[in-house]
Amino acid sequence: GAVVSQHPSWVICKSGTSVKIECRSLDFQATTMFWYRQFPKQSLMLMATSNEGSKATYEQGVEKDKFLINHASLTLSTLTVTSAHPEDSSFYICSARDSAPSGSYEQYFGPGTRLTVT
Amino acid sequence: AQRVTQPEKLLSVFKGAPVELKCNYSYSGSPELFWYVQYSRQRLQLLLRHISRESIKGFTADLNKGETSFHLKKPFAQEEDSAMYYCALSAPNTGFQKLVFGTGTRLLVSP
Repeated sequence: GAVVSQHPSWVICKSGTSVKIECRSLDFQATTMFWYRQFPKQSLMLMATSNEGSKATYEQGVEKDKFLINHASLTLSTLTVTSAHPEDSSFYICSARDSAPSGSYEQYFGPGTRLTVT
Repeated sequence: AQRVTQPEKLLSVFKGAPVELKCNYSYSGSPELFWYVQYSRQRLQLLLRHISRESIKGFTADLNKGETSFHLKKPFAQEEDSAMYYCALSAPNTGFQKLVFGTGTRLLVSP
């Protein structure tokens, strides 16, 4: 089955530093990936849609200069949290759509990355 | 605006009892509805989608456009069904790409 990986699975960083999270589709190509944020005991909130070879589309209220997204290949999207602050601490989840003609266009989710900013 | 409502945060039942997890949505067009499940310490995974009309692990869900609902049902709950369940919607105005999630219902099935 389609697998999406995320790295790292958890990270602790100091306030003011930047953190990069990788999302990879392991056995399929994904022209579109999605980044979500999940607060404790709350639902997933879509942050942005990552498009291969073009700029990401951010949801209303999400700072694009704060959360930098790069989708340089059909199997990799990265989310960089710049100048992180404690309020950025959260669980970040990515998903990827299988964009092959025979694909189901189902979204496959990564395991998530726990970010803690001290 | 698209919205998905799951009114119950927690649903606790005994093994063998029927289960219904409620989901209501607000969207004026014809959306696509999904149920996702997240077992303990595992990633989110698709359980079923309304267009496939399948029964997965004994679960079914029928889209009721009149009531704008997509409730998830299972006649006899099992302990292994204990998990977090999320109802989600995608709409044609986003090319059915974006998912809008409900707040989730935790199902706890006791022996």
